[in-house]
Amino acid sequence: NAGVTQTPKFRILKIGQSMTLQCAQDMNHNYMYWYRQDPGMGLKLIYYSVGAGITDKGEVPNGYNVSRSTTEDFPLRLELAAPSQTSVYFCASSSSDRERGPLHFGNGTRLTVT
Amino acid sequence: EDQVTQSPEALRLQEGESSSLNCSYTVSGLRGLFWYRQDPGKGPEFLFTLYSAGEEKEKERLKATLTKKESFLHITAPKPEDSATYLCAVRRNTDKLIFGTGTRLQVFP
Repeated sequence: NAGVTQTPKFRILKIGQSMTLQCAQDMNHNYMYWYRQDPGMGLKLIYYSVGAGITDKGEVPNGYNVSRSTTEDFPLRLELAAPSQTSVYFCASSSSDRERGPLHFGNGTRLTVT
Repeated sequence: EDQVTQSPEALRLQEGESSSLNCSYTVSGLRGLFWYRQDPGKGPEFLFTLYSAGEEKEKERLKATLTKKESFLHITAPKPEDSATYLCAVRRNTDKLIFGTGTRLQVFP
């Protein structure tokens, strides 16, 4: 019963490098989300997707990109990493029942940009 | 502006000492209020969803209630294993959740 799986768990990047954070879910959820969590701040939505081939920006999309080619996978791409992107990143999914479905979260990727 | 505010920021309790966590919100078109538990190094874990004023949900030592302006998470006779950060989130009439900054609860034996 895997739920939402995120890889890697930890990563250190140098300024200007790029990387992809992986997220996969096995619950056949249509809705998927990327959040970042910074100390003392609430979770902030980066991007979300309502189904394969459909993505949209959240509150803090600058510096990130996403794609959704399958129902299961929702990778987050960081281009030209900056220290401001040091954070913990959480992927989440929910059922297509928009009124009732809670979000199910992965265990996060802790990213440090130096 | 839509806002979710949680208080207190941190709470220290003795084992068995009951208390309440508060989540106040100013959101138009509320489509659900969610409580999550987050352990260090883990993702948030879903606890409850509340949809309308007067609604209550219970799970073991936890009870969540909802009014038109706020929600309370009551913890009865807490144990050390209840130590965690508790997050509140609200869903507007869209797909998105707005999260509060959480209450960090520590329960000492």
